[in-house]
Amino acid sequence: EPEVTQTPSHQVTQMGQEVILRCVPISNHLYFYWYRQILGQKVEFLVSFYNNEISEKSEIFDDQFSVERPDGSNFTLKIRSTKLEDSAMYFCASGGRNEINTEAFFGQGTRLTVV
Amino acid sequence: DAKTTQPTSMDCAEGRAANLPCNHSTISGNEYVYWYRQIHSQGPQYIIHGLKNNETNEMASLIITEDRKSSTLILPHATLRDTAVYYCIVRGNWAGSYQLTFGKGTKLSVIP
Repeated sequence: EPEVTQTPSHQVTQMGQEVILRCVPISNHLYFYWYRQILGQKVEFLVSFYNNEISEKSEIFDDQFSVERPDGSNFTLKIRSTKLEDSAMYFCASGGRNEINTEAFFGQGTRLTVV
Repeated sequence: DAKTTQPTSMDCAEGRAANLPCNHSTISGNEYVYWYRQIHSQGPQYIIHGLKNNETNEMASLIITEDRKSSTLILPHATLRDTAVYYCIVRGNWAGSYQLTFGKGTKLSVIP
């Protein structure tokens, strides 16, 4: 069964460093998302990406964040200068094989720890 | 903010049906009801979604009231592996309605 894969599963980084979280969405999906979940809190939407551009983003997704789909298969989230409060599980999701945006399927997440 | 209301927690005996309720009284006519679950900080797992008709798949059944203001997710024979947090989410299916807004969900504990 196709699945969304994320790497690495765990990333530890020093405050102020740049990190790139990687995702391989399900083949033929058209919509791509990043969510995050701070320990013990709700899953929060960060950004959606469709047709090679950001279609929606939340207040969390400020100038420190960027997304890219560099080669048609990978989907990345970059945090330019990490802060302690960026420590969280980051989930990538993909969905929609046609113009109708239906259910999204999530990866198993990358646990980001900023020290 | 989430547009749904769910009980904080529920227990269910193993092998019995688990019925998880959700209120979504402000749902609009073209919004769908989605259910996801999250097992111990893993990625949310899609379960089922529906608009107004009842839906069934290999995982669960979704019963939506006629006025669409509430729904119930039914796991017909709960197992220990169904212990998870279950999220009821209202979302449109048109371009621009991308994000899923997760609330706190219902923590379902399946008891042996």
